[in-house]
Amino acid sequence: NAGVTQTPKFQVLKTGQSMTLQCAQDMNHEYMSWYRQDPGMGLRLIHYSVGAGITDQGEVPNGYNVSRSTTEDFPLRLLSAAPSQTSVYFCASRWPNYGYTFGSGTRLTVV
Amino acid sequence: GQQVMQIPQYQHVQEGEDFTTYCNSSTTLSNIQWYKQRPGGHPVFLIQLVKSGEVKKQKRLTFQFGEAKKNSSLHITATQTTDVGTYFCAGAWGFNKFYFGSGTKLNVKP
Repeated sequence: NAGVTQTPKFQVLKTGQSMTLQCAQDMNHEYMSWYRQDPGMGLRLIHYSVGAGITDQGEVPNGYNVSRSTTEDFPLRLLSAAPSQTSVYFCASRWPNYGYTFGSGTRLTVV
Repeated sequence: GQQVMQIPQYQHVQEGEDFTTYCNSSTTLSNIQWYKQRPGGHPVFLIQLVKSGEVKKQKRLTFQFGEAKKNSSLHITATQTTDVGTYFCAGAWGFNKFYFGSGTKLNVKP
């Protein structure tokens, strides 16, 4: 049981580049979310999904896209990277009425 | 937007002392969750509170949800060095979206 797997673990992007952060879970969880963590600001919700084909915006969705074509996968796309998107990104999944299982994170630097 | 305020930001204690962190919302929450994040790690789920006035215990940890479901606390009795980390609350209005507090960083001196 791998849990929530995020790739890559580290990434450096140039301003304006695009990329996709991958997230996969093998627990058959319905709910999945993407959070970003910046120093002193806790975790902020980017996008979330309550099932395959269903996504919605969180607190800070601008500059990011998501899709949920399968229960297992929930990729996060950065459309045109900006230095303000330098952060640690966490993907998480859960059953309804239970807590999140988090992945180990992707540390992204935009230069 | 929805916000959960968490205090204090930092807490330094001597091993054996107690520790408490508090979360507050200006509006009624549907439920609240608590997480622990070790330095360099990812958040790990501790507990969820749903009912008004609910109190749950996990060994030395006591979690409370206020009567109005607008505040919550985590209390650790007799801290140990293994308790070091950042403790986050995450509140929800409607069970789907969870908004995290800014966390309380706990340092325990042996």
